[in-house]
Amino acid sequence: GENVEQHPSTLSVQEGDSAVIKCTYSDSASNYFPWYKQELGKRPQLIIDIRSNVGEKKDQRIAVTLNKTAKHFSLHITETQPEDSAVYFCAASKQGSYIPTFGRGTSLIVHP
Amino acid sequence: NAGVTQTPKFQVLKTGQSMTLQCAQDMNHEYMSWYRQDPGMGLRLIHYSVGAGITDQGEVPNGYNVSRSTTEDFPLRLLSAAPSQTSVYFCASSYSYRGVATGELFFGEGSRLTVL
Repeated sequence: GENVEQHPSTLSVQEGDSAVIKCTYSDSASNYFPWYKQELGKRPQLIIDIRSNVGEKKDQRIAVTLNKTAKHFSLHITETQPEDSAVYFCAASKQGSYIPTFGRGTSLIVHP
Repeated sequence: NAGVTQTPKFQVLKTGQSMTLQCAQDMNHEYMSWYRQDPGMGLRLIHYSVGAGITDQGEVPNGYNVSRSTTEDFPLRLLSAAPSQTSVYFCASSYSYRGVATGELFFGEGSRLTVL
């Protein structure tokens, strides 16, 4: 089955810096790659996603890139703010599947 | 829309007790699932359902039962609670578009369970 590795497990940055979280996947049939943000004590919520027919997608300060050949995708957050502090999960799933495989999460800490 | 609603938010059980975590969604989503979240382990799938009357096991199903009698409800039952089941539980739902699963999950607020 699919295996998703996520790094780093913890990332500490200063406010205003950029943050990058990387994930690799094993199943070349996966074609949907969402990212979820989970603030402390809250539910995970989808913040951005990408499908395998595109290489990059942006939404204001966040972007996701996908390299299908290397089977990795990354979340980029620019101009980080304290409210970006949260746990971020990447995931991968196949077309037509309801069931994603999650990475273990990255705890992002943004210091004011 | 209330989205995905879970009850209770907090529960303390003694070893061997049984209980049911409730999950309801009002978005007419065909897919519903239960995850548990433990420190450093991410989100692990317990059971899932792709429609009323259909359920299947996920990655960590032992000790848990589910049923799906309606599209809206997907309760998770702990038959005989064990300390290893201390965790935060999330219910999630999803939908299809033009007959194809979108893969996007909508999570409930979570239920924190402690088993003593």
